[in-house]
Amino acid sequence: KQEVTQIPAALSVPEGENLVLNCSFTDSAIYNLQWFRQDPGKGLTSLLLIQSSQREQTSGRLNASLDKSSGRSTLYIAASQPGDSATYLCVLNFGNEKLTFGTGTRLTIIP
Amino acid sequence: DVKVTQSSRYLVKRTGEKVFLECVQDMDHENMFWYRQDPGLGLRLIYFSYDVKMKEKGDIPEGYSVSREKKERFSLILESASTNQTSMYLCASSTNHRGLMNTEAFFGQGTRLTVV
Repeated sequence: KQEVTQIPAALSVPEGENLVLNCSFTDSAIYNLQWFRQDPGKGLTSLLLIQSSQREQTSGRLNASLDKSSGRSTLYIAASQPGDSATYLCVLNFGNEKLTFGTGTRLTIIP
Repeated sequence: DVKVTQSSRYLVKRTGEKVFLECVQDMDHENMFWYRQDPGLGLRLIYFSYDVKMKEKGDIPEGYSVSREKKERFSLILESASTNQTSMYLCASSTNHRGLMNTEAFFGQGTRLTVV
């Protein structure tokens, strides 16, 4: 069974700082990896999608990287804002029509 | 923009009631999924469907059934609701057009179900 771990489970940083969220996985045979954010009581909003053949994707202040050989993905958030406060999930697609979810990192940006 | 729409944001039902949760997507996706999300347990797959009238059990199908009569709609059914089915339910969809496996998944806004 694939395992996807996100460390830390919770993170608090002052507004304006850059930060990195980590996602580790044991099986490198992925088709793609997505980063989502989830606000309390709401659904998952897709942030970035990295295909298996790619090493990184960028959208605005967000940059996601993928290193399959080491089983790692990172989500870099630049110049953090209070609106970035949410739980962040990495989600792996192993091509079996089912998704494997990370354990999540709860991020709090302190104004 | 892809939209996955769940019919209700919040539901309160009584024990023993039959409950229907509806999910509709507007992007002609083949794959549709139902998950439940509980604190400390993360998201767990209940059922998924990769085509009309097709369904596959996920990791926790007990107490649930599904229906996919049309491609855009995937319904989750609680035959006799119980308090341990109080949870956040999330629907998702993705395409597998022409056998593509590396497509993006989209989620609905969630339905918070409380069974009393």
